[in-house]
Amino acid sequence: LAKTTQPISMDSYEGQEVNITCSHNNIATNDYITWYQQFPSQGPRFIIQGYKTKVTNEVASLFIPADRKSSTLSLPRVSLSDTAVYYCLVGDIGRAGTALIFGKGTTLSVSS
Amino acid sequence: GAVVSQHPSRVICKSGTSVKIECRSLDFQATTMFWYRQFPKQSLMLMATSNEGSKATYEQGVEKDKFLINHASLTLSTLTVASAHPEDSSFYICSARASDRDTEAFFGQGTRLTVV
Repeated sequence: LAKTTQPISMDSYEGQEVNITCSHNNIATNDYITWYQQFPSQGPRFIIQGYKTKVTNEVASLFIPADRKSSTLSLPRVSLSDTAVYYCLVGDIGRAGTALIFGKGTTLSVSS
Repeated sequence: GAVVSQHPSRVICKSGTSVKIECRSLDFQATTMFWYRQFPKQSLMLMATSNEGSKATYEQGVEKDKFLINHASLTLSTLTVASAHPEDSSFYICSARASDRDTEAFFGQGTRLTVV
């Protein structure tokens, strides 16, 4: 499984766009990139997943360059409730029995 | 979307007793479930992979005789912390995927175990 590197923490203000970049230099051909959000004392919640280029859903966008060695999670107009830990995970999740391996994550703090 | 439910959400037990945590997939079948442990201000650490009808696969450093996993059906996996001690106090989280080709893993709400 590819190792990921992301900033330990980020600060933002309400209404701003937040971009969290994750490095995964050793990503393999079959690996997907998945982002999860975790609030204190809760299980992680799926945000978005992609393989290449750009993916957008109702809560975020995921930008993946052509070499796939990094990815950027973009959260538009964050609010206080977006304060959480964000994890970038890379793996061949299509393989039977493949667990998600979590790195340290990025703690996002949103202030008013 | 698919739901994974854990029970209990929090438990306090005395040192030396055993605690069972249940993980259920409510609207899908899961041949494989995963158990994680998370200490305060740390990331999730994979403990073991639970396989329906067979023995669990434990990560290096996880005592299989202490953390007993039973995956007796396609919708239920249980983690039993045997003879719990204060150092076992942690946040335990289970996860499952709806099928081998499903790209999204669903997580339970977690169980806060406090051993006193």
